[in-house]
Amino acid sequence: ETGVTQTPRHLVMGMTNKKSLKCEQHLGHNAMYWYKQSAKKPLELMFVYSLEERVENNSVPSRFSPECPNSSHLFLHLHTLQPEDSALYLCASSPSGQAADTQYFGPGTRLTVL
Amino acid sequence: GQNIDQPTEMTATEGAIVQINCTYQTSGFNGLFWYQQHAGEAPTFLSYNVLDGLEEKGRFSSFLSRSKGYSYLLLKELQMKDSASYLCAVTDSNYQLIWGAGTKLIIKP
Repeated sequence: ETGVTQTPRHLVMGMTNKKSLKCEQHLGHNAMYWYKQSAKKPLELMFVYSLEERVENNSVPSRFSPECPNSSHLFLHLHTLQPEDSALYLCASSPSGQAADTQYFGPGTRLTVL
Repeated sequence: GQNIDQPTEMTATEGAIVQINCTYQTSGFNGLFWYQQHAGEAPTFLSYNVLDGLEEKGRFSSFLSRSKGYSYLLLKELQMKDSASYLCAVTDSNYQLIWGAGTKLIIKP
């Protein structure tokens, strides 16, 4: 058990839908991350939050909108997605947001965009 | 550009030893991670190397050579549960974490 939970575990949506992914960490960490994982590709960092402030946005399309209401919760709001956005979306947390920190991952949300 | 190379897939036999290599070309270096990811599950931390040499942790060991831009993960006494993907990631000079695509390890009886 990693202490990081994600819901839902699976999501199928049409291109016109709006949905949200939720992540919660129970580790008392100060930083949280969203990653996209596609088959046979490296993990792609999407967003980083440290102490509830966004510190990094790796040129992610605006159809992905993150929200971090507190240091334990992270959301990814999705709207008008494209089929190429189908992937595994992983949330992670780390103690301080430093790159030398070990990151603790959630099990991911498998997203399929039709 | 920055790049992490690791084999896409490897096969090994239960009880044997396997070495998974990772080479990197990054703008600077501030540490290298190995993570394990079972199918459909979260990546979990295995090791972190920042200095040259071998770090041993039970059946798993990780080696780093900064001058060669090279690391390997050594798994001994392989068990069926070791079937997973192994992800190499490097922290560059800007403290950005650069990930490899992962090596899928298949263990056969």
